Amino acid sequence: GAGVSQSPRYKVTKRGQDVALRCDPISGHVSLYWYRQALGQGPEFLTYFNYEAQQDKSGLPNDRFSAERPEGSISTLTIQRTEQRDSAMYRCASSLRTDSYEQYFGPGTRLTVT
Amino acid sequence: QQQVKQSPQSLIVQKGGISIINCAYENTAFDYFPWYQQFPGKGPALLIAIRPDVSEKKEGRFTISFNKSAKQFSLHIMDSQPGDSATYFCAAQDTGGFKTIFGAGTRLFVKA
Repeated sequence: GAGVSQSPRYKVTKRGQDVALRCDPISGHVSLYWYRQALGQGPEFLTYFNYEAQQDKSGLPNDRFSAERPEGSISTLTIQRTEQRDSAMYRCASSLRTDSYEQYFGPGTRLTVT
Repeated sequence: QQQVKQSPQSLIVQKGGISIINCAYENTAFDYFPWYQQFPGKGPALLIAIRPDVSEKKEGRFTISFNKSAKQFSLHIMDSQPGDSATYFCAAQDTGGFKTIFGAGTRLFVKA
């Protein structure tokens, strides 16, 4: 079956622009996670949702970052007024149930801010 | 308190040898400890996981050893193969919430 998909796979943007990154979880998965992964580092937790409810957003670096999942399926991570330090791989993961620990990761979106 | 410390950063092992990667944590609220395998250009994929009520879990050539009192856990890859060459991440999740803290990763290279 289809795995987690993310789009775009690559995004180059100029400093100060807003970007929206999309995550399409595995069909039927109720929990969705966003991570940021710097080169040579492990994924860093940003936020997660159960259905459409954002349960934890403690990892979002500042108020330029926001995420939503309005219908409990597709999610969008938005970064406003991008800065060069926002350049990273942004990964999405989903899990089947709210009490399921196993996460399935997507291929990521490589964001480059010039 | 939220950190998971992983070592070594990189590891070179001969084919057929044993690869050992170590992790340490501080937060005693963690109750699930997965290991993820990541190949270049791909997302991490769950390899094996353990809960703190057991000291060891084995799946094929992969074994997790868990020392609750020392707050340490390790991944052992027996009979390492070139196809095992990848980056391995340990992680920890806490009860109730699903905030996952990852280690920095270990790049494993298995020489043929």
